Formats: sequence, C-alpha cells, structure tokens
Amino acid sequence: EVQLVESGGGLVKPGGSLRLSCAASGFTFSNAWMSWVRQAPGKGLEWVGRIKSKTDGGTTDYAAPVKGRFTISRDDSKNTLYLQMNSLKTEDTAVYYCTTDRGGGDAFDIWGQGTMVTVSS
Amino acid sequence: SYVLTQPPSVSVAPGKTARITCGGNNIGSKSVHWYQQKPGQAPVLVIYYDSDRPSGIPERFSGSNSGNTATLTISRVEAGDEADYYCQVWDSSSDHLVVFGGGTKLTVL
Repeated sequence: EVQLVESGGGLVKPGGSLRLSCAASGFTFSNAWMSWVRQAPGKGLEWVGRIKSKTDGGTTDYAAPVKGRFTISRDDSKNTLYLQMNSLKTEDTAVYYCTTDRGGGDAFDIWGQGTMVTVSS
Repeated sequence: SYVLTQPPSVSVAPGKTARITCGGNNIGSKSVHWYQQKPGQAPVLVIYYDSDRPSGIPERFSGSNSGNTATLTISRVEAGDEADYYCQVWDSSSDHLVVFGGGTKLTVL
C-alpha cells in the first residue's frame, strides 16, 4: 500500500524548534521529489518547500516565509523525509503534510494524514 | 508572486453541475491541478494536468484551462462532493514554487 505517515508534531513555544518526520512506503522513495505543505487552522493550503531526489541533485527549495528557518532533508535508507523547524513563530501553527507525485510529475497524488504543530506560549 | 483566485463558495443542488473557477495571469500556459479536501482529511488529487483524472476519481469530475481561467466541473453533483476544492500550479518565478488557490467551499444544497 502506498503510504506517507507524518509524525513529530506537538506544542512548542515561540522561538523553539521541532523536527517532523514522514515515513514513506509502497513506492520508490529514493526517486521521489518530496514536498511539505501546511494548512493553518481554518485556512487554505500553503507550500512549504521540497527536496529533489539525490539522483537529481538532492537540492531544496523553500517558500519565502520559512526560508532560513526550516530545513528539509531525507534519508533514503530509511525511506524518511524530515522537516527541521527552527525559530518557530505563532504563524507557523498548522497541520503539516508531506506529499509527492509518484509518477515524477508535478501533481501531488499521495498525501500523508498530517501532523499538527502548535506554536504558542 | 503568482496569484490564483478562486471564489470562496459555490452552491449547487444535487444532480446539477458545479463549476469552480481558478483565475491567474495567463494560467492557460501552465498546468493546473485540483484537489478535494473534506473536513479533517488530507487533500485528494481529483484532476491533474488541467483535465486528466487519477484512477478512482469519477468521470463526473472534469477540468479545462484556457486564457486566464481554469475550471473544475463536477457533473451530477452528489452530497458526497461537498468539500473544499483547491487549484494548484508550479511557478518558478514565484517565491512559492508551488502556488495554491485560496480554496472554494462547495455546498450541496
């Protein structure tokens, strides 16, 4: 079964850090370009960033609001994607989803169930 | 940065046709993808590359894209289609490589 499972969410104080994980199964993770997308409570979807496959350079791109604070990485030996979030702000409060296009295109056809991050004092 | 504009809400009676628009500057030159999201659930891809349907998505869902507007059309609307719908494009010139529309709440009357 094709699956993405996020974990690591929780409550953190402003200025704090958190690392999210996304475990992949059922497809060739090492070939996938992976993205993180978030959704603040009652709001729409916002792309956070992506990491290419290692064969395509393994480079990362980030949305302006998180650039310099968030880091995306991957461990292909563990089929796991990570999102390291530093200097968290209250506006980072959201459900964080990992997602990808199994076929290597640019539509997100697999999504995890999401993990909630709450930044509050 | 590139902006996608969707109507906040669309209402339709069961059995009728719903059309959800997604406006963007020359969006017809981009590939548009559409997602359905029900409360408390992750988004589901319903249309990709303007008009293709993933396996498992009913033929009632279709898409088009031309000029400055992309459209998601849902024919013979059912109660189970009630959800939020988001359009999405990739835009390398934007500070967000991936751009989502603000979402449209589809209400089945």
